[in-house]
Amino acid sequence: DAMVIQNPRYQVTQFGKPVTLSCSQTLNHNVMYWYQQKSSQAPKLLFHYYDKDFNNEADTPDNFQSRRPNTSFCFLDIRSPGLGDAAMYLCATSRDGVPTDTQYFGPGTRLTVL
Amino acid sequence: GQNIDQPTEMTATEGAIVQINCTYQTSGFNGLFWYQQHAGEAPTFLSYNVLDGLEEKGRFSSFLSRSKGYSYLLLKELQMKDSASYLCAVTKLTGGGNKLTFGTGTQLKVEL
Repeated sequence: DAMVIQNPRYQVTQFGKPVTLSCSQTLNHNVMYWYQQKSSQAPKLLFHYYDKDFNNEADTPDNFQSRRPNTSFCFLDIRSPGLGDAAMYLCATSRDGVPTDTQYFGPGTRLTVL
Repeated sequence: GQNIDQPTEMTATEGAIVQINCTYQTSGFNGLFWYQQHAGEAPTFLSYNVLDGLEEKGRFSSFLSRSKGYSYLLLKELQMKDSASYLCAVTKLTGGGNKLTFGTGTQLKVEL
């Protein structure tokens, strides 16, 4: 089945130790998004790629970076995780990014920072 | 900016009907999505409204009034598996992508 896949589902890292989360999609969608969702809060958009064009949200900390080496894969790099970065990280895709396009979410990676 | 309000929690009985409201204030509104999110899982798409009126999909319906900045999600014939968080999200076209801004969600508990 076509889908959005995130690995790993659970990630534990140490304070300050870089960590990379990965997302892949078989939908051949042009747009890939990364959201951060803390407990009992709404998902918050960090950034997105339209094809190879990167779009950063104004309030996304510099500590968060992203790479999209090809259509199928997108990575979220957290350079120096802090305790406040513990959250569920959700990857989503949409076909073209027009307002009527549905965003399809992966299962998420739950990040714990020790 | 965008401001989206939903009730935090609701409780309903199996087999009943429940209406979850969402109000929003936003610039550049292009549509409103409803997602369902079970605990520890990703949001899944339920419905999309861009024009005023009611969209019906089986047991789920969603209504939009753009002039009032108001939407609701109606769930009929409630089942225990409908216990989840329901997220209202407004959409805005920006920078080559469709930006979704989510409300904090309404936690629905379905009881026997």
